[in-house]
Amino acid sequence: GAVVSQHPSWVICKSGTSVKIECRSLDFQATTMFWYRQFPKQSLMLMATSNEGSKATYEQGVEKDKFLINHASLTLSTLTVTSAHPEDSSFYICSVSNYGYTFGSGTRLTVV
Amino acid sequence: GQNIDQPTEMTATEGAIVQINCTYQTSGFNGLFWYQQHAGEAPTFLSYNVLDGLEEKGRFSSFLSRSKGYSYLLLKELQMKDSASYLCAVINTDKLIFGTGTRLQVFP
Repeated sequence: GAVVSQHPSWVICKSGTSVKIECRSLDFQATTMFWYRQFPKQSLMLMATSNEGSKATYEQGVEKDKFLINHASLTLSTLTVTSAHPEDSSFYICSVSNYGYTFGSGTRLTVV
Repeated sequence: GQNIDQPTEMTATEGAIVQINCTYQTSGFNGLFWYQQHAGEAPTFLSYNVLDGLEEKGRFSSFLSRSKGYSYLLLKELQMKDSASYLCAVINTDKLIFGTGTRLQVFP
């Protein structure tokens, strides 16, 4: 499988600000990456599929204007949480598919 | 819609055997994974099934019945470190869709 790096590991931001999370595929050119969100004591919920060079595909119920995804290169996808609110506080994790699914280490976002 | 259901919580005793079930109804199926996840960490791969039957890997085994939309993860010789969440996930086209997850607590 691929080696995936995700940054930052944790971030605290003020309500109303934006936060960018990076997901890098270190040894594999990923045309597709996946973004998940996980609330405490819940499972991973797929938010969107990030497509290199084109628009992301969002799952039903996920606001595309709030969760901006950019996949400008084959090794980097970014998720920007815009105008963050406390209810956006969650664990965000990315994944790359290459002979299985490899996950980044996740980002704990806390909005205060 | 997609439904992938698991029991919410299970408890077991160290040294025992536990079976975690997963039932799914999805619009597509290209395989099923089982992952272990500790709080605040990324999921760790345990097993993969695409054909019916049992896959054994050390203390962990996973079973799949495609006709019944059913899988289970069997953990033998439970250890305290096995206390974690266990997630089944179905591949639908190229997307990995997770079940509701099962929190397992192992007691001495």
